[in-house]
Amino acid sequence: EAQVTQNPRYLITVTGKKLTVTCSQNMNHEYMSWYRQDPGLGLRQIYYSMNVEVTDKGDVPEGYKVSRKEKRNFPLILESPSPNQTSLYFCASSEGQGAGYNEQFFGPGTRLTVL
Amino acid sequence: AQSVTQLDSHVSVSEGTPVLLRCNYSSSYSPSLFWYVQHPNKGLQLLLKYTSAATLVKGINGFEAEFKKSETSFHLTKPSAHMSDAAEYFCVVSDYNAGNMLTFGGGTRLMVKP
Repeated sequence: EAQVTQNPRYLITVTGKKLTVTCSQNMNHEYMSWYRQDPGLGLRQIYYSMNVEVTDKGDVPEGYKVSRKEKRNFPLILESPSPNQTSLYFCASSEGQGAGYNEQFFGPGTRLTVL
Repeated sequence: AQSVTQLDSHVSVSEGTPVLLRCNYSSSYSPSLFWYVQHPNKGLQLLLKYTSAATLVKGINGFEAEFKKSETSFHLTKPSAHMSDAAEYFCVVSDYNAGNMLTFGGGTRLMVKP
């Protein structure tokens, strides 16, 4: 089954404790992206990647890191989480090297709480 | 810079009546526009997309949207609401001048009354 998976689905952590949220897709998509969803703000793009070893900042990259060492994986790293990073996070992927024309396939989401 | 405004944060309709969810966008170039739906505790699913072909776009589950460049609008409509349409809807713009970034609207929560 074609899908985007994220782990963990739920995470409660404390300020400053490094964490990684994994994202994997099995559709051989070039483009992958991370978003955070906050009430009234819709989804905001954190980082995106157009291919292996190619990443770029989205609208809200501060406090986050990403890497794209393999085509299928695009982990999101919070080196020192803070309470304002409490949010619902989505990973997405799409064909081609641009988000502009292609359907984004979304993962199920990761709900992160930073105390 | 690109931006999207969804004019209503909440819309309530009765089952069987028409649905109208409004979206206005700003883009410096010819944009691609999308509508996504998010059911409770689920990820997002594409409803339809506009990418400079026909201005009236038909999507899944009876939804359609019309691209109106003169009004910079991309409103989502459905002739007859069903209870299963209750969800949150996002209008999204993408502009190649913005470096392959997607910009989402704030979302419209659609409630359907029996």
